Amino acid sequence: LAKTTQPISMDSYEGQEVNITCSHNNIATNDYITWYQQFPSQGPRFIIQGYKTKVTNEVASLFIPADRKSSTLSLPRVSLSDTAVYYCLVGVKGGYQKVTFGIGTKLQVIP
Amino acid sequence: DGGITQSPKYLFRKEGQNVTLSCEQNLNHDAMYWYRQDPGQGLRLIYYSQIVNDFQKGDIAEGYSVSREKKESFPLTVTSAQKNPTAFYLCASSISGQGGGQPQHFGDGTRLSIL
Repeated sequence: LAKTTQPISMDSYEGQEVNITCSHNNIATNDYITWYQQFPSQGPRFIIQGYKTKVTNEVASLFIPADRKSSTLSLPRVSLSDTAVYYCLVGVKGGYQKVTFGIGTKLQVIP
Repeated sequence: DGGITQSPKYLFRKEGQNVTLSCEQNLNHDAMYWYRQDPGQGLRLIYYSQIVNDFQKGDIAEGYSVSREKKESFPLTVTSAQKNPTAFYLCASSISGQGGGQPQHFGDGTRLSIL
């Protein structure tokens, strides 16, 4: 089971691009990288998922280098409403594999 | 809209009392999960179910029980054996098993407190 490491907290000013990096050195061949966002007193919300290279959607971009040992979630031009905890998970899509939501990265957007 | 509904939003338990948290989904997902989240912590898996009439213990199942009689429903009972039940409880579902890479859809949680 791939273990992930991400910063505990980050601060950013409004309007800036924020990059949160997650390390997963022992990622397996069939593992996908998935990011979630959680606001206080709400359940986590799926943001983006990728396997390799770059994935972009209306919310964020996910950059994955060729060795896949890390990944970077990029949030363009953050606003105060992006203040949340962001979780990085690694795992296969099929079957059951025990996964753990770590502490995540608490992003604080400053006016 | 499809989604997961957890109720109640807030729940209070007296000492020695069992309480049941409701979780219903209309996403037609096979797999459902219960997590516990303590302040400033990540999510810990209590129970999961990959299919109707089947469920498995997660990392912290002691003091909890579940049932999965219908695909849409996965209630969690916090028994009196759970000595520290105060927490935020989250229910989730996914199309198939929790592979980590399978996106999970979460409800908005139930906050349980001890009176």
